[in-house]
Amino acid sequence: AQKITQTQPGMFVQEKEAVTLDCTYDTSDPSYGLFWYKQPSSGEMIFLIYQGSYDQQNATEGRYSLNFQKARKSANLVISASQLGDSAMYFCAMRDSGTYKYIFGTGTRLKVLA
Amino acid sequence: NAGVTQTPKFQVLKTGQSMTLQCAQDMNHEYMSWYRQDPGMGLRLIHYSVGAGITDQGEVPNGYNVSRSTTEDFPLRLLSAAPSQTSVYFCATSNRASHGYTFGSGTRLTVV
Repeated sequence: AQKITQTQPGMFVQEKEAVTLDCTYDTSDPSYGLFWYKQPSSGEMIFLIYQGSYDQQNATEGRYSLNFQKARKSANLVISASQLGDSAMYFCAMRDSGTYKYIFGTGTRLKVLA
Repeated sequence: NAGVTQTPKFQVLKTGQSMTLQCAQDMNHEYMSWYRQDPGMGLRLIHYSVGAGITDQGEVPNGYNVSRSTTEDFPLRLLSAAPSQTSVYFCATSNRASHGYTFGSGTRLTVV
């Protein structure tokens, strides 16, 4: 069965510093997608970044990058130059290539300190 | 563009009542799903559909029904509400080309 694990319930980071949010996954499928979503206190879910299992390069989107280590089954999110607006809940998710089902981790609450 | 529209945004039910949460999308996405979000448990899949006329169960389907008669709509029915169904419900859609879900704004449901 597929599984996503986020072991950090909460994180603090100083403004302008970088922070890494951990995500490990488990699947027997060779083809899958990995995603990160942001949920601010307002409640909406915002898509941040995507990594395909066959992608050779780590995905980047602005200040977000995904540190993809396939052999270790990890897909950590790196946020560079943290801003106060980055304070939110962050979810790692994986998509099954066959059914398009997504499963989510339990989330990491990030607080950026001024 | 409306994207994914969920109604209502808030609802209070009494135990045993039934209701339908509505989800409509205008992006022609073939894949639609319902999740519930509870503190400390992330988002858990209730039911999903890969196209009109096709539905399947997710991780926590008990107490919920779905149908998909059109591409645009995917309603979630609570048959007999229980306090354990107090949660925030999200509808999410995608297609084969999209690299991520499009989420609705959520429905906060309280069962008393």
